[in-house]
Amino acid sequence: EIVMTQTPLSSAVTLGQPASISCRSSQSLVHSSGNTYLSWFQQRPGQPPRLLIYKISDRFSGVPDRFSASGAGTDFTLEISRVEAEDVGVYYCMQATQFPYTFGQGTKLEIK
Amino acid sequence: QVQLQESGPGLVKPPETLSLTCTVSGGSVSSYNYYWNWIRQPPGKALEWIGYVYYDGRANYNPSLKNRVSMSVDTSKNQFSLKLNSVTAADTAVYYCARGKDYEFAGDYWGQGTLVTVSS
Repeated sequence: EIVMTQTPLSSAVTLGQPASISCRSSQSLVHSSGNTYLSWFQQRPGQPPRLLIYKISDRFSGVPDRFSASGAGTDFTLEISRVEAEDVGVYYCMQATQFPYTFGQGTKLEIK
Repeated sequence: QVQLQESGPGLVKPPETLSLTCTVSGGSVSSYNYYWNWIRQPPGKALEWIGYVYYDGRANYNPSLKNRVSMSVDTSKNQFSLKLNSVTAADTAVYYCARGKDYEFAGDYWGQGTLVTVSS
């Protein structure tokens, strides 16, 4: 099983400032197809997860462009260019390259 | 707009079987390149992928659940289902259903989730 490790586990950011979350996998996430199935989800309090990013850096429909992501192999990063109040929640990375699919522990984003 | 809605008992006694159904609207469970996931989240904890099923019954399950899990699809009702046998308190969680797409992503649309408590 691929273990996904996120850092930090919590982060307090001033409104309008950037935020960054890292995700590291215990094995390469490059699939035999050549794609890397690494996604990022946002979970606001009391809500289901919401897909933000898929295949490392593709922004899902309707996701604001202040969200961006990058990475390769085993190291990945989600960045928010200017944090807004609605960005509060827990962020998860998830790999769907190898069964079983696995999630990171989550990173709680708060406003300072 | 695709919508998913979980339904089923909110309380299950150990060691009975947990049974949940996810009803899909605005889309079809028979879509060729989509698959249908179950994911759970124990209170205050991280997400855990349980498994997925395709319209034709092909499925893949998390080995951590050993042989306790099964999934199925009812195309006539546009629903898919989860069964988890021999439940214990450790299976208490919010259970989500979600849609995945081949070679793209594992969860673009999610249900609101349903809390299942395992207790005698």
